[in-house]
Amino acid sequence: QLQLQESGPGLVKPSETLSLTCTVSGGSISSSSYNWGWIRQPPGKGLEWIGIIYYSGSTYYNPSLQSRVTISVDTSKNQFSLKLSSVTAADTAVYYCARHRTVAGYRLIDDWGQGTLVTVSS
Amino acid sequence: AIQMTQSPSSLSASVGDRVTITCRASQGIRNDLGWYQQKPGKAPKLLIYAASSLQSGVPSRFSGSGSGTDFTLTVSSLQPEDFATYYCLQDYNYPWTFGQGTKVEIK
Repeated sequence: QLQLQESGPGLVKPSETLSLTCTVSGGSISSSSYNWGWIRQPPGKGLEWIGIIYYSGSTYYNPSLQSRVTISVDTSKNQFSLKLSSVTAADTAVYYCARHRTVAGYRLIDDWGQGTLVTVSS
Repeated sequence: AIQMTQSPSSLSASVGDRVTITCRASQGIRNDLGWYQQKPGKAPKLLIYAASSLQSGVPSRFSGSGSGTDFTLTVSSLQPEDFATYYCLQDYNYPWTFGQGTKVEIK
């Protein structure tokens, strides 16, 4: 049973960099069957797709965050991470890590972490 | 980016009701669409992928249909555990985009 767990600071100051890690257990992050990504949800609002990293290392980011976001993988620790620079209060949200995969040629997100609230405030 | 418009934004229904939620894409997305259910304080859960394929373990009262720009999620007989917020997600191209959500409440 795959499990994903987000970790990182719950409070980040404006203009600083938000850094989160997702630890994957019950499966290998290196599997070519899976890709890994991040989604966020501001309090009381809808979901926003942040980006994805493929097993090949290729990344795709939401253009709304493109200049500030980096997703990377550490296979030795079975973890992947999110960095979002120059944060403002608008980046306050619950951040979810998630497994993306392809089934019969169709892409889907089928496993999620529990989510972690990150508040941007001085 | 492709815009996904869900309707209604909220609805009230009773246990046993048939409920339909629609999602419209701003351009054609073939059938590259999924439906997710989210309960308060919880991560979303995949219900449907490829517009009409039921995810393993999801009750058969959930079904999806559509192709191109117009899609529907139907719950044939609403159960108490189905009261939640539902989101569509297009994965046709990047950036993937969600609908704004439909909150299903108890009448």
